[in-house]
Amino acid sequence: DADVTQTPRNRITKTGKRIMLECSQTKGHDRMYWYRQDPGLGLRLIYYSFDVKDINKGEISDGYSVSRQAQAKFSLSLESAIPNQTALYFCATSMGGAYQETQYFGPGTRLLVL
Amino acid sequence: QKEVEQNSGPLSVPEGAIASLNCTYSDRGSQSFFWYRQYSGKSPELIMSIYSNGDKEDGRFTAQLNKASQYVSLLIRDSQPSDSATYLCAPQLMNRDDKIIFGKGTRLHILP
Repeated sequence: DADVTQTPRNRITKTGKRIMLECSQTKGHDRMYWYRQDPGLGLRLIYYSFDVKDINKGEISDGYSVSRQAQAKFSLSLESAIPNQTALYFCATSMGGAYQETQYFGPGTRLLVL
Repeated sequence: QKEVEQNSGPLSVPEGAIASLNCTYSDRGSQSFFWYRQYSGKSPELIMSIYSNGDKEDGRFTAQLNKASQYVSLLIRDSQPSDSATYLCAPQLMNRDDKIIFGKGTRLHILP
């Protein structure tokens, strides 16, 4: 089984809808991250969490919120989806201890907002 | 604003040749770097990390770090079609409050 899983893998939604992307990991890592990837813009950090009680905004947090329900679970919500949130979303984990250790990525969620 | 710059490519290299991928960074405090490979539609995966000046070799891959020039590179020897992917450079953070950043990546295409 994959160490970092994301659900759903693909999602089509309409403008204004609230949606949640979920990430689970079995690696036992403390740190979890949400990124979005757009052609030509690379990976951009949305939110990150160093432990259950420590959540931080990344480069592009506007329009997004997160919840760290447990060490192993980190969810990303779009409160009111808009078309420019159409992107490929990745969850990642890392062990902690240094300030950017190896990150392990989930398979990604393709989101289309109509 | 700390930045990581990579040539977006595509970089086309004949099969069996050496592919050279470059990355420059603006933060003089960055001490270590990671190279990730990302196949189209897939997630990034770590292929190399380098923590000190000089070269680090792992199989067909060699990472080179020059802190004075703020330059890190990845060489791929005996390039194979399976090396066709986008390669992302990422610096090690120096402070807890630093924002994690990745280069935009270089697309590499190995010509059979």
